[in-house]
Amino acid sequence: DAKTTQPPSMDCAEGRAANLPCNHSTISGNEYVYWYRQIHSQGPQYIIHGLKNNETNEMASLIITEDRKSSTLILPHATLRDTAVYYCIVRTSSNTGNQFYFGTGTSLTVIP
Amino acid sequence: EAGVAQSPRYKIIEKRQSVAFWCNPISGHATLYWYQQILGQGPKLLIQFQNNGVVDDSQLPKDRFSAERLKGVDSTLKIQPAKLEDSAVYLCASSLDPRGRETQYFGPGTRLLVL
Repeated sequence: DAKTTQPPSMDCAEGRAANLPCNHSTISGNEYVYWYRQIHSQGPQYIIHGLKNNETNEMASLIITEDRKSSTLILPHATLRDTAVYYCIVRTSSNTGNQFYFGTGTSLTVIP
Repeated sequence: EAGVAQSPRYKIIEKRQSVAFWCNPISGHATLYWYQQILGQGPKLLIQFQNNGVVDDSQLPKDRFSAERLKGVDSTLKIQPAKLEDSAVYLCASSLDPRGRETQYFGPGTRLLVL
């Protein structure tokens, strides 16, 4: 089962920052937070991941709270091509390896 | 670097027929995953391979679904016989690390419609 909760949908004006929240209150100390997005009819695309510290790459920034119970994905200047479903995932670990459990994600619509 | 390849992209079959999907992961990636994504839901893991061995198939409906990864490279997922509720997108992903500790990269998926 997914270990994350996200709002089902959000809107953002083109050119503004999009801030997508995620709650993962049961996360364990060695579990990573991953973000993927899925544009219609495509496979999920990796965006960013982190453990404790905030992370930034060319696509986005990831802000993880100090208690690690929630995080926020920031797209600094949203464009129409950022319209997609965004998944926040906790990568769980077990004896057999590491797995992703996807929830239903947040459908982000960037408005012109 | 080439991404994860999947074929076919689309498939329409009638219930009780059989179908197979093919996946070619990124070169050198040890771990391969098959996911099922029903419309409006997030992907659900069906099976995970580490090289050519199965490490997790707990959510695979084994009475009708089977998968193999011969020689630790390409993989096939088969459904026999198909049911209406199998209509979904079947996604293949791969990661470099044998225990899946690295980022997963997804293919475009195969969209299956069972009539």
